[in-house]
Amino acid sequence: GAVVSQHPSRVICKSGTSVKIECRSLDFQATTMFWYRQFPKQSLMLMATSNEGSKATYEQGVEKDKFLINHASLTLSTLTVTSAHPEDSSFYICSAPDSTGTGTYEQYFGPGTRLTVT
Amino acid sequence: AQSVAQPEDQVNVAEGNPLTVKCTYSVSGNPYLFWYVQYPNRGLQFLLKYITGDNLVKGSYGFEAEFNKSQTSFHLKKPSALVSDSALYFCAVRASRQGKLIFGQGTTLQVKP
Repeated sequence: GAVVSQHPSRVICKSGTSVKIECRSLDFQATTMFWYRQFPKQSLMLMATSNEGSKATYEQGVEKDKFLINHASLTLSTLTVTSAHPEDSSFYICSAPDSTGTGTYEQYFGPGTRLTVT
Repeated sequence: AQSVAQPEDQVNVAEGNPLTVKCTYSVSGNPYLFWYVQYPNRGLQFLLKYITGDNLVKGSYGFEAEFNKSQTSFHLKKPSALVSDSALYFCAVRASRQGKLIFGQGTTLQVKP
């Protein structure tokens, strides 16, 4: 089955620094990837849609200058949290739909990245 | 706008008993419906989906869900719960093949021995 990886799985950084999270589709190409944020015991909130070859589409209320998204290739999207603050601490999950063929465009999820800002 | 509601924050069931986790949705047109499970500090694992066809959908680990268009519901069920089923369950809906996947707030399932 399709696999999506994320790196790192956990990161601790100091307030004011930037952190980059990678999302890779390992055995399929993804022209689109989605970034979600999850607070403890809460649902996944869609932050942005990452599009290969074009700008990301951000959901309302998400600061695009703070959460920089780059869809570098058909298998890689990165989320950079700039000038991180403790309130950015969260679990970040990416997903990639398999858009090949005429299937159901099923979304596959990465294992998540736990970001802690001290 | 599409939305998903999971009315129960937590469901408690004894091992061996049947379980139901409820989900209702709101979407224009025909919905794409999904159930996912999440274990602590892990990503989401796909359980099952409804796109079209038979209203009763069977998925992974013995789970099934029934699509009810008139009640706009997609409840998750399992005939006999296991302790290892204890986890956080999410219902999700998409309005089209390539649309955004919107999640419910999640239901914690606790199966006690």
